[in-house]
Amino acid sequence: EAGVAQSPRYKIIEKRQSVAFWCNPISGHATLYWYQQILGQGPKLLIQFQNNGVVDDSQLPKDRFSAERLKGVDSTLKIQPAKLEDSAVYLCASSSVTDTQYFGPGTRLTVL
Amino acid sequence: AQTVTQSQPEMSVQEAETVTLSCTYDTSESDYYLFWYKQPPSRQMILVIRQEAYKQQNATENRFSVNFQKAAKSFSLKISDSQLGDAAMYFCAYTYYGQNFVFGPGTRLSVLP
Repeated sequence: EAGVAQSPRYKIIEKRQSVAFWCNPISGHATLYWYQQILGQGPKLLIQFQNNGVVDDSQLPKDRFSAERLKGVDSTLKIQPAKLEDSAVYLCASSSVTDTQYFGPGTRLTVL
Repeated sequence: AQTVTQSQPEMSVQEAETVTLSCTYDTSESDYYLFWYKQPPSRQMILVIRQEAYKQQNATENRFSVNFQKAAKSFSLKISDSQLGDAAMYFCAYTYYGQNFVFGPGTRLSVLP
């Protein structure tokens, strides 16, 4: 069974530029999560989808971050415009009905 | 709001020895799930063990076991016969039925040969 796929693995941009990350969950997993993990900290939930609906986006900085999961499968997270403090690893995870999350390899973003 | 605390930023253990990582949490719910995740230097997060709060029996997975004390809101991870491959960041996490996922700050475990 294929795991959670993410791309790109690494991205370097300058502040005020835009960036997008892509995630393809494990086949059949209805729930998809995006996390931000700043170096040395635990992951922080940004947004949670159930199929193509948003369950929780209370910690998503909506003035610059957006996410979509149009067909209930893969998802895109966008940052526009990026700030220096957005430098982090962005993790995608998916789960079925068991509450257990399976994580992708992450995208390491560096904002200069 | 739910919180998860890991009071040990770093721990070390000798190879083949046993180590215990601590985790405490705060919630007003009576039924929930707790997890320990491992994040090796390559950064892919891997599930180590899962505990359902309504089950009194402590979960075990091979060399990994937990001590779940619901009244004290404590959820520690014991690693027996530590191996070099156990070196990683370990995160304690809480969820209420797949929602309100909260991770602790992590404990960095070093395994000494």
